[in-house]
Amino acid sequence: GAGVSQTPSNKVTEKGKYVELRCDPISGHTALYWYRQSLGQGPEFLIYFQGTGAADDSGLPNDRFFAVRPEGSVSTLKIQRTERGDSAVYLCASSPTDWAGELFFGEGSRLTVL
Amino acid sequence: KQEVTQIPAALSVPEGENLVLNCSFTDSAIYNLQWFRQDPGKGLTSLLLIQSSQREQTSGRLNASLDKSSGRSTLYIAASQPGDSATYLCAVRLGNAGNMLTFGGGTRLMVKP
Repeated sequence: GAGVSQTPSNKVTEKGKYVELRCDPISGHTALYWYRQSLGQGPEFLIYFQGTGAADDSGLPNDRFFAVRPEGSVSTLKIQRTERGDSAVYLCASSPTDWAGELFFGEGSRLTVL
Repeated sequence: KQEVTQIPAALSVPEGENLVLNCSFTDSAIYNLQWFRQDPGKGLTSLLLIQSSQREQTSGRLNASLDKSSGRSTLYIAASQPGDSATYLCAVRLGNAGNMLTFGGGTRLMVKP
């Protein structure tokens, strides 16, 4: 596609439920990033993929969060046993190079945990 | 740990003014710095990317400068327009600590007609 696509754009769930957020990067981009943005703040890094592997997952807050990119393109961020504090906008970005390239962001998935 | 600060947090100016947004970072060993624009409820749009070896980058009415040694970058917007109203974010990438960007909190800009 022309840009980074994220689905769903909005997700409302109840505390304790499981959630999946999907990111479809720009075609041909090898690097993929997930960030989380709370209201009024800058995005915070979660995880970075080079191809299929997670090159850096140091930003994942705890083991309830997990992300995959099985074929080196689409990525899914998975959140188990959601908590109210997980409510935020989850942003995905891709880059045409593996190292230090310009990032292109999607519109984000807004997650609300009731 | 890299910390990025943006001042001011919010700015309101009349149309036509030239303005400067500031970004400071604590670790000067950066690889590059990127400025983004974010409209309400939207994702981030890349404006300018400055490599550590560069002093500035220009795109249209935008000019971004980088002073790595002092840990500062500025985004200059010439002849501001109401359509420039948005949140502007700067982000730095360290040269020796992975490939992630560390973001500032942003400057919310309002340009009044």
